[in-house]
Amino acid sequence: GAVVSQHPSWVICKSGTSVKIECRSLDFQATTMFWYRQFPKQSLMLMATSNEGSKATYEQGVEKDKFLINHASLTLSTLTVTSAHPEDSSFYICSARYSLNQPQHFGDGTRLSIL
Amino acid sequence: QKEVEQNSGPLSVPEGAIASLNCTYSDRGSQSFFWYRQYSGKSPELIMSIYSNGDKEDGRFTAQLNKASQYVSLLIRDSQPSDSATYLCAVTDNYGQNFVFGPGTRLSVLP
Repeated sequence: GAVVSQHPSWVICKSGTSVKIECRSLDFQATTMFWYRQFPKQSLMLMATSNEGSKATYEQGVEKDKFLINHASLTLSTLTVTSAHPEDSSFYICSARYSLNQPQHFGDGTRLSIL
Repeated sequence: QKEVEQNSGPLSVPEGAIASLNCTYSDRGSQSFFWYRQYSGKSPELIMSIYSNGDKEDGRFTAQLNKASQYVSLLIRDSQPSDSATYLCAVTDNYGQNFVFGPGTRLSVLP
């Protein structure tokens, strides 16, 4: 149980393109979803937390207009990287949680490369 | 600032030995505690959850929690080379809402 699907796994695109990443909880309803970013050999960096039907809460230093998060249902959250540039290239990982005090379950991640 | 601390490692143990991974946290009101494993280039996967003081065993893994000392540990018995990964400790706040991840300990199991 507790499967989180993240799509796509890899994205390679040109600078200036907007990229949408989907995160779905397949077998549970996720009251909260999280988006992380991770550079090679570095720790997970929380970008934002989203609750279904509410605006996402962004961490300090994360540009809201750059990283658009939508959590439209209890099983789906999307992250859109708008006008992506090479410095946005990274490993983006979503996670979902059923309720308070429950663990986060992670998707497989999306490797984004901006040329 | 609520913190979770782990030794960054690398922690090297021979195959078949017990690997001991430690984590301390600053928020005395923390409610829930988790251990994740992350292989290089992959996303984290949940190994264990623990909510009350004492030991919790699952196969070769044992999580130990001591809330008075604000300490949680993970023991891996009969370590295998496939256990080589980064182990992340995660702690929730006293409302169970916010997660804080430690920086992770890199474990290397030598054949």
